[in-house]
Amino acid sequence: KQEVTQIPAALSVPEGENLVLNCSFTDSAIYNLQWFRQDPGKGLTSLLLIQSSQREQTSGRLNASLDKSSGRSTLYIAASQPGDSATYLCAVRRGGSEKLVFGKGMKLTVNP
Amino acid sequence: DGGITQSPKYLFRKEGQNVTLSCEQNLNHDAMYWYRQDPGQGLRLIYYSQIVNDFQKGDIAEGYSVSREKKESFPLTVTSAQKNPTAFYLCASSIRTGPYEQYFGPGTRLTVT
Repeated sequence: KQEVTQIPAALSVPEGENLVLNCSFTDSAIYNLQWFRQDPGKGLTSLLLIQSSQREQTSGRLNASLDKSSGRSTLYIAASQPGDSATYLCAVRRGGSEKLVFGKGMKLTVNP
Repeated sequence: DGGITQSPKYLFRKEGQNVTLSCEQNLNHDAMYWYRQDPGQGLRLIYYSQIVNDFQKGDIAEGYSVSREKKESFPLTVTSAQKNPTAFYLCASSIRTGPYEQYFGPGTRLTVT
């Protein structure tokens, strides 16, 4: 059974820091991995989707990398801003399945 | 604008009552999903539907029911058999071909007392 872990559960940093958010998964037979952002009381916003054949994806200040063999993905946030404060979730999709398996998320607070 | 709408945003019910949560999408997606989110927990899949008039149970389907009569709509009924119905409910949709990227609605917070 696939399990997705995000450690730490919360992180508080001063504005301007470059951040690395971690996601690990137990079964490397994934089709793709998706990173989401969730603001309090809101739905999920898709940030980046990285296919199993890719090593990384970039969008603005965000960069996601994937190492399937080690069961890890990282989300890199450059020059963090208070507006980046939110909960970040990663989810993996197994090959042949449309179902996502989610981690519990990491709550990020960026202090001005 | 294309997107997913969920209504209502907040819902209050007494224990023992059934309640139906609405989910509508105009993205022309074939697949739709219902998730439940509890504090400090990841999302857990309740039901999903890949095509009209067909749906499958997810990981926590007990106490819930769904229908998919139209491509755009996937309502979720929380029945009185659901032991802990108070939660945040999220609806999502995706196309049925790769990469299956899921898009989410704004959610409905259900409180049962």
